[in-house]
Amino acid sequence: ILNVEQSPQSLHVQEGDSTNFTCSFPSSNFYALHWYRWETAKSPEALFVMTLNGDEKKKGRISATLNTKEGYSYLYIKGSQPEDSATYLCALVGSQGNLIFGKGTKLSVKP
Amino acid sequence: SQTIHQWPATLVQPVGSPLSLECTVEGTSNPNLYWYRQAAGRGLQLLFYSVGIGQISSEVPQNLSASRPQDRQFILSSKKLLLSDSGFYLCAWSEGVSSRETQYFGPGTRLLVL
Repeated sequence: ILNVEQSPQSLHVQEGDSTNFTCSFPSSNFYALHWYRWETAKSPEALFVMTLNGDEKKKGRISATLNTKEGYSYLYIKGSQPEDSATYLCALVGSQGNLIFGKGTKLSVKP
Repeated sequence: SQTIHQWPATLVQPVGSPLSLECTVEGTSNPNLYWYRQAAGRGLQLLFYSVGIGQISSEVPQNLSASRPQDRQFILSSKKLLLSDSGFYLCAWSEGVSSRETQYFGPGTRLLVL
């Protein structure tokens, strides 16, 4: 059974702080990794799809990197804003094309 | 544009009662459809997925079943709910089966079994 680990479980930062969190996964048989943002009372929203070792994707103040050889991906948020408060999920694509989610990192940004 | 609907938004059901959750997608044809559940303290877990009408694959043995009577309709059911069926149920769709395909999620149904 593939295991996707996310750390930390929760994070509290001040507005303006930059932050990052980690998604770890088995490095063998890698297909792709997805990052989602899930705000309270809303649907999970796709952020990035990472496929190649060394991939770096960016969307505004949020960026992500991928290391498939060592089995991790980092998500970075530069200059956190209160509207960034959400749970950030990573999901590994399994051999059947299914998504295997981590438990998420819950980010709270205080104004 | 594509939209995905789920209902009901919340549901409180007694143990042993039946369940039917519905998911519909608009604005696309022949989507892949998925049911996920988030139980307390756990990550999102894939329950079922479907690549076409009448085609259902189950990821985990459980008390639930799924059906796809129409191209853009996906139903999650149970004949007799258990306490452990409580959780947040999300329906999602994608255009294809490529590992690069983004899955788009519905608003979810929060189910509490008492």
